[in-house]
Amino acid sequence: EIVLTQSPTTMAASPGEKVTLTCRASSSVSYMHWYQQRSGTSPKLWIYETSKLASGVPNRFSGSGSGTSYSLTINSMETEDAATYYCQQGSSYPPTFGGGTKLELK
Amino acid sequence: EVQLVESGGGLVQPGRSLKLSCLASGFTFSNYGMNWIRQAPGKGLEWVASISSSSSYIYYADTVKGRFTISRDNAKNTLYLQMTSLRSEDTALYYCARHYYYDGTYYYDYWGQGVMVTVSS
Repeated sequence: EIVLTQSPTTMAASPGEKVTLTCRASSSVSYMHWYQQRSGTSPKLWIYETSKLASGVPNRFSGSGSGTSYSLTINSMETEDAATYYCQQGSSYPPTFGGGTKLELK
Repeated sequence: EVQLVESGGGLVQPGRSLKLSCLASGFTFSNYGMNWIRQAPGKGLEWVASISSSSSYIYYADTVKGRFTISRDNAKNTLYLQMTSLRSEDTALYYCARHYYYDGTYYYDYWGQGVMVTVSS
C-alpha cells in the first residue's frame, strides 16, 4: 500500500499570502489528485492529474510534482480557501489518501 | 447535473448488518465505475470498495474484505454496500463516489452528501 504523508498537518495563512501544501508518497506514483473539504460538506475534486484544475476552481490554485513529491499552491490566500485539503493516489490498489492539511485563515 | 444520493444509514449494534444505497442521476450510470469511501468522525478519508461499470472488477480495502459486499443495479442506477459483522471501527460517514480513469490512475470526480453509520451497543 502506498502511504501518502501530507505536511503541514495544520497551518494558518493571512489573506494575500502564498500557501504551499505538500504530499509525499512512499513509492513513486504517476499522478496526484487533490480534494477540498470545507467543514460539514463532502469532499470536492480540486486538482486532478497533478496539475489540472477541476471545474470552477480559481486559477490562484496550482498543482505540481512528480514521482514521490507533489504540492498544491495557492498564489494568494482568500477567505473561501479555508478548508482541509487531501491528496490521493490512484496509481495502484488500494487507492489511498493523505491525512489531510487543515488550512485556516489567520 | 450529476447527483449521488446515499441512504440506508443509521445506528446498528456490533455484529449486525446494514445495507447502504446510492441513487445516481444526471449521467449514464452504466458507463462509470463507482466507489464507497468513508470518513470516521474527525478523521480523514478511507477508500472502502470499488466496482467497475459492468461489475466485472470488484476491489475491497483489507479492513472490510470478507464483511462488506459492493454491488450495483444498472437498470435502477443504484450502487449498494452490504455491510455485515459490523464493528465499532466501521462508524463513519459513508460517501458514494464516481471514479474516472485516466492513463493508469483513478480519481473521484463526483461525491454524494454521505450517509452516517454508527455501530454501537
